Amino acid sequence: DAGVIQSPRHEVTEMGQEVTLRCKPISGHNSLFWYRQTMMRGLELLIYFNNNVPIDDSGMPEDRFSAKMPNASFSTLKIQPSEPRDSAVYFCASSPPRGGTNEKLFFGSGTQLSVL
Amino acid sequence: DAKTTQPTSMDCAEGRAANLPCNHSTISGNEYVYWYRQIHSQGPQYIIHGLKNNETNEMASLIITEDRKSSTLILPHATLRDTAVYYCIVRVASAGTASKLTFGTGTRLQVTL
Repeated sequence: DAGVIQSPRHEVTEMGQEVTLRCKPISGHNSLFWYRQTMMRGLELLIYFNNNVPIDDSGMPEDRFSAKMPNASFSTLKIQPSEPRDSAVYFCASSPPRGGTNEKLFFGSGTQLSVL
Repeated sequence: DAKTTQPTSMDCAEGRAANLPCNHSTISGNEYVYWYRQIHSQGPQYIIHGLKNNETNEMASLIITEDRKSSTLILPHATLRDTAVYYCIVRVASAGTASKLTFGTGTRLQVTL
């Protein structure tokens, strides 16, 4: 299994531009999580989905952030317009249906976002 | 979810056991203790979890006190590759599908020669 796949690995953009981060969860997993990591704030949960439905988006910073999961094998996190304070590493994680191993989250390698 | 308290950093000599403590004095009866680690520049990695019994797998052992107010993660023979930030997380395991996992600041473990 290829694991959770995130793209791009690195993104450099200018303030005001739209940024789209992509995530392909592990096949068969039905929960997907988006996290953001900075030195100041550590790892923060932004939003998570169960069976493609957003369950908790209380961590999404503001209306500039949106996340979608159109099907079980793909999710996007969009920032529009981007700002320098959005610079961070964004991680996607997935977990399998409940049944012993549900508690494990499997993380991707992250997207390093720099907004200039 | 209950809060956890961990030391900011620890050192361990290679080949020795690394014992990482975690305090979770407000843990509820239906909350599990999870451990993840994050090696530099990588995504977090699951290590182990438990409810009240001690647990062991190929990576580590988890010792939970009888009152469940604290636990210790044990890496029996630490190697340089175990240098990472270790997160202790308390989380309700909900029925059906996943519940959210909230990370604290963790313990930075440095394994030295």
